[in-house]
Amino acid sequence: GNSVTQMEGPVTLSEEAFLTINCTYTATGYPSLFWYVQYPGEGLQLLLKATKADDKGSNKGFEATYRKETTSFHLEKGSVQVSDSAVYFCALSDLVDSSYKLIFGSGTRLLVRP
Amino acid sequence: DAGVIQSPRHEVTEMGQEVTLRCKPISGHDYLFWYRQTMMRGLELLIYFNNNVPIDDSGMPEDRFSAKMPNASFSTLKIQPSEPRDSAVYFCASSYPYNEQFFGPGTRLTVL
Repeated sequence: GNSVTQMEGPVTLSEEAFLTINCTYTATGYPSLFWYVQYPGEGLQLLLKATKADDKGSNKGFEATYRKETTSFHLEKGSVQVSDSAVYFCALSDLVDSSYKLIFGSGTRLLVRP
Repeated sequence: DAGVIQSPRHEVTEMGQEVTLRCKPISGHDYLFWYRQTMMRGLELLIYFNNNVPIDDSGMPEDRFSAKMPNASFSTLKIQPSEPRDSAVYFCASSYPYNEQFFGPGTRLTVL
């Protein structure tokens, strides 16, 4: 079945450090891939997405590239800020079986220290 | 657009009481989803609707949980009777077909 695996957190970085959060997936078809972010006390917000292989999603300095050969969608940012502290969720949607729902990873908590 | 609206934002109740959570999706969205988030189990999909019809309720934990969508602009998730283990944050989300989901702010439920 479809699944998403994320690296365990928490990830603790100093401000301006480089960020990578790993995400790999298993899917039967050709899924769309998403990164969502959840700030404390809020709902999930879409951060970026990619709908086909080799697409790069980007937003607010974050990037992720859809790698079909490695079934990965790693999230990166060149210089993190304290305000990036949040929980990040990788997700996929696979329409092969005609049921539309997102499969989420377990989430990775990021803490950025000043 | 106001986004997905959920009410109440916080609910504290005693074990055995009925709890009703409410959701207003974004206008025009065909899909509506109910999720539950806990520290132990993470984010779980409970049920989702397409054009007001329940499509997949396999995530609903047990018969104490029920969800309805009487029209395109309103959905409820009901727990009767509630138990302490139901304490969680419940999210509603909506979307167009084949697009990203937009989440509401959530309802934090505490069952004493």
